[in-house]
Amino acid sequence: DGGITQSPKYLFRKEGQNVTLSCEQNLNHDAMYWYRQDPGQGLRLIYYSQIVNDFQKGDIAEGYSVSREKKESFPLTVTSAQKNPTAFYLCASSIGTGSSPLHFGNGTRLTVT
Amino acid sequence: GENVEQHPSTLSVQEGDSAVIKCTYSDSASNYFPWYKQELGKGPQLIIDIRSNVGEKKDQRIAVTLNKTAKHFSLHITETQPEDSAVYFCAASSGGFKTIFGAGTRLFVKA
Repeated sequence: DGGITQSPKYLFRKEGQNVTLSCEQNLNHDAMYWYRQDPGQGLRLIYYSQIVNDFQKGDIAEGYSVSREKKESFPLTVTSAQKNPTAFYLCASSIGTGSSPLHFGNGTRLTVT
Repeated sequence: GENVEQHPSTLSVQEGDSAVIKCTYSDSASNYFPWYKQELGKGPQLIIDIRSNVGEKKDQRIAVTLNKTAKHFSLHITETQPEDSAVYFCAASSGGFKTIFGAGTRLFVKA
């Protein structure tokens, strides 16, 4: 079954620590994305990658970093510089441009105390 | 910047009734309008989409309409069932890699 796997489902960290969220896809999609979801708000784009070794900032990239060393993998690091990191993080992929449907993973809920 | 407004934020219907969710977009270059359904604790899943060269699209109990002049598109669910209860997101894209999402509508279908 093709899909996107995000791990872990729940993550707890102390303030001041960096944390990395995993995202793996076996859909053979070129494009991958990270979104942040907060209660009562739509999804906001953090970073996206059109192809291996390339990524672009989204609307709320401050305090986050990514890498795209393999087509299948697009990990997100939430750094200590992110002022309000507690949120639900969603990884997605698509065949091509924004005119293609997004395929989402089941998310990672990060809680920072 | 680009914006998508979605209404209502919460919708409660009786099983078997219809549900309508409305969205308005600001970017006139938008040409792709997907709708996603998100169940509790899961990621959103595409349920239907429409492109700007089409005014209406239907898939069984779900239909979407698009009015490009008014920059308005809507999701219609007929004969609602309890399993339709979820959060629904509309979105708009102009063909690049950025998709703008509405804030979501929480739909409750009462049995």
